[in-house]
Amino acid sequence: AQKITQTQPGMFVQEKEAVTLDCTYDTSDQSYGLFWYKQPSSGEMIFLIYQGSYDEQNATEGRYSLNFQKARKSANLVISASQLGDSAMYFCAMRESRRGGNKLTFGTGTQLKVEL
Amino acid sequence: DAGVIQSPRHEVTEMGQEVTLRCKPISGHNSLFWYRQTMMRGLELLIYFNNNVPIDDSGMPEDRFSAKMPNASFSTLKIQPSEPRDSAVYFCASSLDQAAGAQYFGPGTRLLVL
Repeated sequence: AQKITQTQPGMFVQEKEAVTLDCTYDTSDQSYGLFWYKQPSSGEMIFLIYQGSYDEQNATEGRYSLNFQKARKSANLVISASQLGDSAMYFCAMRESRRGGNKLTFGTGTQLKVEL
Repeated sequence: DAGVIQSPRHEVTEMGQEVTLRCKPISGHNSLFWYRQTMMRGLELLIYFNNNVPIDDSGMPEDRFSAKMPNASFSTLKIQPSEPRDSAVYFCASSLDQAAGAQYFGPGTRLLVL
């Protein structure tokens, strides 16, 4: 079974609109962490946001927020007020503290295109 | 502060040649990771080190691949002999070993084996 599932290979959004990128995960651990990374066309991997499994509030970082629904095992990334520079590949990743040490398991990514 | 530094940024070599990729992690980080990214397989963890000790090398494809971390500020990934199917982007990342420790990636090395 996939540990991290990103079901949207590609997404389009108009500039200034909000967009949600889906991520579901599978783990039996009680303690785990969820991460989102951005990979623009230039190729670098940029850390965006982190959510711990015990965090009661959804994480936010500027225009990024993580819609964490623990019972549904989902950790969707919400980007508000989209900008052209948000066009990139977005990866969801999970750290399982018990099994994986410091390892991250990445999803297959969602390609986001922001249009005028 | 300097991020993760990788060299070279691009490498073109012929099949059978030895390739050495280098990485300098963020100062103070105690975990270091080597990843490979291809269109077909996505982002794969090859090996990771904690406090300079290899912890998990289960992702290393075969004996042609080896990685070392002689000290806290330097790591190498070596491919010998290289093959065309090794063509990929190789990322190095580092982090603090803690629950909320995000991994910070270097710019990657684009390797093309002809």
